[in-house]
Amino acid sequence: NAGVTQTPKFRVLKTGQSMTLLCAQDMNHEYMYWYRQDPGMGLRLIHYSVGEGTTAKGEVPDGYNVSRLKKQNFLLGLESAAPSQTSVYFCASSSNHGGRGVDSNQPQHFGDGTRLSIL
Amino acid sequence: SQQGEEDPQALSIQEGENATMNCSYKTSINNLQWYRQNSGRGLVHLILIRSNEREKHSGRLRVTLDTSKKSSSLLITASRAADTASYFCATDGVGRTSGSRLTFGEGTQLTVNP
Repeated sequence: NAGVTQTPKFRVLKTGQSMTLLCAQDMNHEYMYWYRQDPGMGLRLIHYSVGEGTTAKGEVPDGYNVSRLKKQNFLLGLESAAPSQTSVYFCASSSNHGGRGVDSNQPQHFGDGTRLSIL
Repeated sequence: SQQGEEDPQALSIQEGENATMNCSYKTSINNLQWYRQNSGRGLVHLILIRSNEREKHSGRLRVTLDTSKKSSSLLITASRAADTASYFCATDGVGRTSGSRLTFGEGTQLTVNP
């Protein structure tokens, strides 16, 4: 099993350009997430999805859009890239088998990240 | 603001020593998780402790949870150079939709010197 695969691994964009980051998971997980990681700020949730065809905003959604047309894929789009979006982007997935209560929020499986620079 | 905050921000020890990292959080939780991140890689899940558990072990890892103090600690015993990484705690929040969201702290950078 490959787990969670992110493409591309690196990308340099000019301000105003658009691009799509692709995340694919082969674990049949219901939940998928996009985070950004910046020095001194830990991981911040951009958008997430609790199932095929659903998406929801996280902590820092502005400037990003997402789509979950297939269960195994979660796409993150930058419509008009800005230098403030220079970051490392991580995709993660998790199962929904924990139910509620103390077994909710099952472990998340992460990809190795996409390093994005906006000039 | 971050739900979980790790302490210390950085820790440097010699191989064979024990490493202790702490995490404090603000709101009630269902469970708390610890992750490791090697340089240039994604996060890897280490251990999950439920809010009704006080201590959990996995190999050389020992995690404690004190819900009255809203804090957790991660102990790595007999550390190895390969343990050099950043360690993050992550918490959910009681009442959130099941499996939907974790909040990560800023991490502790552990360096184990050979």
